[in-house]
Amino acid sequence: EPEVTQTPSHQVTQMGQEVILRCVPISNHLYFYWYRQILGQKVEFLVSFYNNEISEKSEIFDDQFSVERPDGSNFTLKIRSTKLEDSAMYFCASSEGTGQPQHFGDGTRLSIL
Amino acid sequence: GESVGLHLPTLSVQEGDNSIINCAYSNSASDYFIWYKQESGKGPQFIIDIRSNMDKRQGQRVTVLLNKTVKHLSLQIAATQPGDSAVYFCAENAGNTPLVFGKGTRLSVIA
Repeated sequence: EPEVTQTPSHQVTQMGQEVILRCVPISNHLYFYWYRQILGQKVEFLVSFYNNEISEKSEIFDDQFSVERPDGSNFTLKIRSTKLEDSAMYFCASSEGTGQPQHFGDGTRLSIL
Repeated sequence: GESVGLHLPTLSVQEGDNSIINCAYSNSASDYFIWYKQESGKGPQFIIDIRSNMDKRQGQRVTVLLNKTVKHLSLQIAATQPGDSAVYFCAENAGNTPLVFGKGTRLSVIA
């Protein structure tokens, strides 16, 4: 069964550094998403992406964050000037369309030191 | 603001019994609902979804019930197995809006 894959599984970074989290969505999906889950808390929406542009973003997704689809398969989340509070699990998801199930990867655990 | 929440944070059931996990939502405009299962160290795994024009949908060993009158969603798992132990999230959205997740219920299956 096709699945969303994310790399790396764990990223440790010094505060103030930039990180890039990578995702390969399911190949025939058109909508892509990033979510965040702080330890023990619920999953929070960050951003959705369709047709090579951001379609919606949350208050969390400020100028520190950016997304890109650099080629036909990858979808990346860049976090600049990382802060301690950016430590969380970051999940990528994709769906065939709106109102369709979003399928999630297993996440990248980001630890900011 | 409007949000999705869960009545019970933890649920323990005997293996073989049926499990019922509940979820309340507050956005009356929500028209699509999903249940996800999250095992330790993994991402949310899609279980079943339901649209607002339905009140019941069945899958393999799972049933989702939607009561729009009281804005309540439930997930029923039949003959619960140890492999069902996980955190279960409900999520909802309205039209093209982002999915809003509930806080999660931890299901523990006692062998």
